Amino acid sequence: GENVEQHPSTLSVQEGDSAVIKCTYSDSASNYFPWYKQELGKRPQLIIDIRSNVGEKKDQRIAVTLNKTAKHFSLHITETQPEDSAVYFCAAGNTPLVFGKGTRLSVIA
Amino acid sequence: DAGVTQSPTHLIKTRGQQVTLRCSPKSGHDTVSWYQQALGQGPQFIFQYYEEEERQRGNFPDRFSGHQFPNYSSELNVNALLLGDSALYLCASSLGDSWPMNTEAFFGQGTRLTVV
Repeated sequence: GENVEQHPSTLSVQEGDSAVIKCTYSDSASNYFPWYKQELGKRPQLIIDIRSNVGEKKDQRIAVTLNKTAKHFSLHITETQPEDSAVYFCAAGNTPLVFGKGTRLSVIA
Repeated sequence: DAGVTQSPTHLIKTRGQQVTLRCSPKSGHDTVSWYQQALGQGPQFIFQYYEEEERQRGNFPDRFSGHQFPNYSSELNVNALLLGDSALYLCASSLGDSWPMNTEAFFGQGTRLTVV
């Protein structure tokens, strides 16, 4: 089955800097790669996703890149703000999704 | 338009007991997937229900069972509770059994289960 590795587990950045979170997956048949943001005590919320026929997708300050050959994908957050502080999860697969273990992002004002 | 609702929000049970968690999907959704999220971990897939049948199952023992009702709501049952079952249980609703390929899934707030 699918296996997803996520790095780093924790990340601290200064406000305004960029943050990058990386994930690798094992199943070459996976073709859907979403990213979720989970604030303390709240539900995971989809922030961006990418499908296998696309190499990059951007939504304002958030972008995701996918390299299917290398089986890795990354989340890029630019101009970070304190409200970006949360745990971010990558996931891969078809049905069901397999999640990474999460990255705790802290944006320091 | 209500989103995904789960009940109860918090629950404390004793080892060996049984528990039932409930999920009402977002209006218009017919598929419910259940996930277990241990502290500091990502969600792990338990099973998915569509058309009142279990369609897929993750690597969880038979102590974990579920049900989907004609109104698409769902229950997760866990028998013979272990300390290791303590976790946040999330349900996600979607339209059709092809998620995540075609439609976004919406997560509920979860039920925090503590086994003592």
